[in-house]
Amino acid sequence: DIQLTQSPSFLSASVGDRVTIACRASQDVNKYLAWYQQKPGKAPKVLIYAESTLQSGVPSRFSGSGSGTEFTLTISGLQPEDFATYFCQQLKSYPITFGQGTRLEIK
Amino acid sequence: EVQLVQSGAAVRKPGESLKISCQGAGYTFSSYWIAWVRQMPGKGPEWMGIVYPGDSDTRYSPSFQGQVTFSVDKSISSAYLQLSSLKASDNAMYFCARRSGDGYSYDFWGQGTLVTVSS
Repeated sequence: DIQLTQSPSFLSASVGDRVTIACRASQDVNKYLAWYQQKPGKAPKVLIYAESTLQSGVPSRFSGSGSGTEFTLTISGLQPEDFATYFCQQLKSYPITFGQGTRLEIK
Repeated sequence: EVQLVQSGAAVRKPGESLKISCQGAGYTFSSYWIAWVRQMPGKGPEWMGIVYPGDSDTRYSPSFQGQVTFSVDKSISSAYLQLSSLKASDNAMYFCARRSGDGYSYDFWGQGTLVTVSS
């Protein structure tokens, strides 16, 4: 199985800040890396797919970068609606796996 | 508009079974894989497996193999998750999600079905 390790697990930031969340894979996922945002009681929502492609309708303050086994989600200029939990996901091979999540809270 | 609509919250007793439905709309249901994802309270998503409605090709996660069963009914654009011999540890939210055509994400999700197992 491909393990995904996210860091940090918890992040406190203010509106307007730039934040970065990291995701490390235990083996090369060959671009099959996606990022999701989840709010309490709601389904995850895809933000970034194929490492760095912005999902249609997602604000441009979200960006993804990285390759191979090291990936980053960056939010530039945090908005109040961005305070949520973020997960990375690999779709390279079965079983599909998710990172353990990063909870982003308002400072 | 693409939508996945799941059946409502359910309460069952230990040992009972449950079938959760996921109905697709707004796209060709048989042409996209449907995944099932469990999320226990306060935890991250866990992939249970995936089914292709076109031919019912199925992949189960080893963690769930033998514990759950997927099925589809193309005539009504629906996928199903069967949970058997329920235990308290099955308390969770269950989501269905559509795998994107290029396989790079799960682009649409159902609203989730909350399952409570309690005597």
